[in-house]
Amino acid sequence: DTGVSQDPRHKITKRGQNVTFRCDPISEHNRLYWYRQTLGQGPEFLTYFQNEAQLEKSRLLSDRFSAERPKGSFSTLEIQRTEQGDSAMYLCASSLGGQGLYGYTFGSGTRLTVV
Amino acid sequence: AQRVTQPEKLLSVFKGAPVELKCNYSYSGSPELFWYVQYSRQRLQLLLRHISRESIKGFTADLNKGETSFHLKKPFAQEEDSAMYYCALKIGNTGKLIFGQGTTLQVKP
Repeated sequence: DTGVSQDPRHKITKRGQNVTFRCDPISEHNRLYWYRQTLGQGPEFLTYFQNEAQLEKSRLLSDRFSAERPKGSFSTLEIQRTEQGDSAMYLCASSLGGQGLYGYTFGSGTRLTVV
Repeated sequence: AQRVTQPEKLLSVFKGAPVELKCNYSYSGSPELFWYVQYSRQRLQLLLRHISRESIKGFTADLNKGETSFHLKKPFAQEEDSAMYYCALKIGNTGKLIFGQGTTLQVKP
């Protein structure tokens, strides 16, 4: 297990297109989180899953955003009809329980640029 | 309102000087605070959490509930400490974190 993997690393898309990102957490971690980070800001919470259940969504997550975690394994984050304001780094993190002794393990992120 | 404030965007010190990165929080519940660090070209990683009360890479942080602060300190900065540091507050039992805006620490030789 090499940690949390995110794919793709970079995505450039035209405004109005749909994009999907994938996150593979550490296999024994039951919690998975999505965050968004814009330039000069700290990560902002988007949503989280415990196993396959999506338990919380931020108000930042408009109805153009949807996330899934089928079978409690990998997760996908889809953005429909992308806007320039969606340009950001999308971070995935996983943990065992609510933080455990070791906090989150973060992925390297997917950098989205909407042109 | 739940909020984490890191007042300094950039902190620049010379090698061997003491370092203090400030973090203040606002939270009505029982706070659980963390420091995360991101070195150049690396992913965000946990540095320390207040519950464990440990020193990691020479850094310590003490939760001061009276001043609602969780400042990160190191007595003698090293060049390899140069990185972006984020203070984070855990909300409830979900594990959700609220992050500050981050402070870039630059340690000059």
